[in-house]
Amino acid sequence: QKEVEQNSGPLSVPEGAIASLNCTYSDRGSQSFFWYRQYSGKSPELIMSIYSNGDKEDGRFTAQLNKASQYVSLLIRDSQPSDSATYLCAVNNVRNQFYFGTGTSLTVIP
Amino acid sequence: EAGVVQSPRYKIIEKKQPVAFWCNPISGHNTLYWYRQNLGQGPELLIRYENEEAVDDSQLPKDRFSAERLKGVDSTLKIQPAELGDSAVYLCASSPLGGASETQYFGPGTRLLVL
Repeated sequence: QKEVEQNSGPLSVPEGAIASLNCTYSDRGSQSFFWYRQYSGKSPELIMSIYSNGDKEDGRFTAQLNKASQYVSLLIRDSQPSDSATYLCAVNNVRNQFYFGTGTSLTVIP
Repeated sequence: EAGVVQSPRYKIIEKKQPVAFWCNPISGHNTLYWYRQNLGQGPELLIRYENEEAVDDSQLPKDRFSAERLKGVDSTLKIQPAELGDSAVYLCASSPLGGASETQYFGPGTRLLVL
C-alpha cells in the first residue's frame, strides 16, 4: 500500500468552476499535510499546508482534512487557466518521513 | 533572498558513467533533502540531512548512489555507475529546521538523461 494515493486524472474543468482534488494516506498517525503545485518542467511550490481536522481557506484555495477517514482534499474555486498544473499531495508521517503522491493533472479550459 | 540553487540543470551521459549533482540550500536552512522524480510520478525522497548528518537515507540505493553534505551547507549527490533507469529529475529542497510542519523549498532540479 502506498503511503499517499491520488487520482492521477487528468481532471478537466471549465474556467470559473470548482476543481476538487483528493488524496488519501495510509499512516494514521500522520500530522502534517501539504498541497504543492507543479507546472510542467518546473519544481513543486507550496500552495497550502493543513494540520488540524476541518477546512483551511486561503484565497481561492481551501484545504480539507479528515484524519478519521485519512483523507485530504483541495478545492480551487473560480478556476483559472493559470491553475492548470499537476497538484501533489504530500504527507509527513509520525517518523517525520515525507511522502508525495503521484499527483493529479488539472486542466482548466477557457 | 536567494532560493535553492542546483547545478547542472541538464546532464546527458552514457550508461556506466559517473555523474554528480550539486545543491546549495537557502541560507540558514539546516535541513536538506534530495528527491528523485520520474516522469509522471511524485518526488521520492532519497536522503535527508540535518546539518552534516544524514538522518534518513533509507531509500537511497547505496550500491550506486552516494551523497555528502560537508560543513552542513552545500551537498553533492553522486551516481556511479549510472544506469538507464536513473534518467529522472533530481530535486534538492531545504527547510529551516526539518520540522514536520515546515515548508520545503525546492530548487529547479537537474534533469538527467542516461543513454
